Amino acid sequence: GENVEQHPSTLSVQEGDSAVIKCTYSDSASNYFPWYKQELGKGPQLIIDIRSNVGEKKDQRIAVTLNKTAKHFSLHITETQPEDSAVYFCAASIRNNFNKFYFGSGTKLNVKP
Amino acid sequence: DTGVSQDPRHKITKRGQNVTFRCDPISEHNRLYWYRQTLGQGPEFLTYFQNEAQLEKSRLLSDRFSAERPKGSFSTLEIQRTEQGDSAMYLCASSSTSGGSRETQYFGPGTRLLVL
Repeated sequence: GENVEQHPSTLSVQEGDSAVIKCTYSDSASNYFPWYKQELGKGPQLIIDIRSNVGEKKDQRIAVTLNKTAKHFSLHITETQPEDSAVYFCAASIRNNFNKFYFGSGTKLNVKP
Repeated sequence: DTGVSQDPRHKITKRGQNVTFRCDPISEHNRLYWYRQTLGQGPEFLTYFQNEAQLEKSRLLSDRFSAERPKGSFSTLEIQRTEQGDSAMYLCASSSTSGGSRETQYFGPGTRLLVL
């Protein structure tokens, strides 16, 4: 089955700096890659996603890039704010199956004011 | 609030007891998923339903676990004879097979289970 690896496990940045989180996947059939933000005691919240027919997607301060050849994708957060502090998870799935996500192990982002 | 809801939010039980969790998906979402999340890890897939049919189960779902979605709306997850290793956050998510965002799964707040 699919194996998703996520790095780093923790990331500390100064407010206003950029943060980058990287994920790799193993199954070349995977074609949908969402990113979720999880705050303490809450369920994961979708923040951005990308499909395999697109190399990059941006939504305000958040962007995701995908390299299908290398089987890796990254989350970029610019102009970080203290409220960005949370755990971020990447995931991979096969769109045609629509049945399950394979999640990375998470990155705890701390934005210092 | 029209998001995914889960009940209860927290459950403490003694080893050997049975517990049942409920998930109410977003209205008209025909797909419903259960995941388990242990501390410091990402969610792991347990099972999923399309309407009332349970279409896939993970090998993580031992025979002590059973899930139902009798009318294709809410779902229940029951754990029989709980063990300390069952302590985790149980997450429910839903999605729709129609529309432009068919792949998107929306998660509920989770039920945190502690088995003593």
